[in-house]
Amino acid sequence: QSALTQPPSVSGSPGQSVTISCTGTSSDVGSYNRVSWYQQPPGTAPKLMIYEVSNRPSGVPDRFSGSKSGNTASLTISGLQAEDEADYYCSSYTSSSVWVFGGGTKMTVL
Amino acid sequence: EVQLVESGGGLVQPGGSLRLSCAASGFTFTTYWMHWVRQAPGKGLVWVSRSNSDGSSTTYADSVKGRFTISRENAKNTLYLQMNSLRAEDTAVYYCGRGNKWSLDYWGQGTLVTVSS
Repeated sequence: QSALTQPPSVSGSPGQSVTISCTGTSSDVGSYNRVSWYQQPPGTAPKLMIYEVSNRPSGVPDRFSGSKSGNTASLTISGLQAEDEADYYCSSYTSSSVWVFGGGTKMTVL
Repeated sequence: EVQLVESGGGLVQPGGSLRLSCAASGFTFTTYWMHWVRQAPGKGLVWVSRSNSDGSSTTYADSVKGRFTISRENAKNTLYLQMNSLRAEDTAVYYCGRGNKWSLDYWGQGTLVTVSS
């Protein structure tokens, strides 16, 4: 049950696009299309942004998109806005029937 | 409106026990899996446990297996986490979350558990 690997931080200017990677193994990310992404502004509870690799819940802007290739999933935020500044976490279901989160990525809007 | 409200956190000594509750409203509780996730101060999210919709199937992270027990009382729309043999490293904000399509689509505001002498 090792944590998924995310970069500790990413940054971008308003209007730019940024991508956050999430690397797992063939026992989690690589085996299932059961990857989700969460946004957590400081001092608040996490919010679901992407489920099943690339699906957006109702109300999430289409600036947020997800994809997967092999053992690595990615979250892309297009047209970056100041309100996107937050911590982002990926998560995957695993072959051990448990879930695992990534270590989190701090997104800074310059 | 979906609402999840955790309670039961507090200060407990190492080796002690605590039971967390998560009161659910705004949806049909009996049809959803439910999860517990924790976050140590200044750290990332860590998945803890999951219950299926009727409580007959549960899974745990290795770090809590044998010490924590997830359960639910569907008649009261409430999820529980019984935590025994608590350690300093269990100190965290504990969130409950509704399971949907292999993700957690709604989260509570969390309850803080501090394990310290």
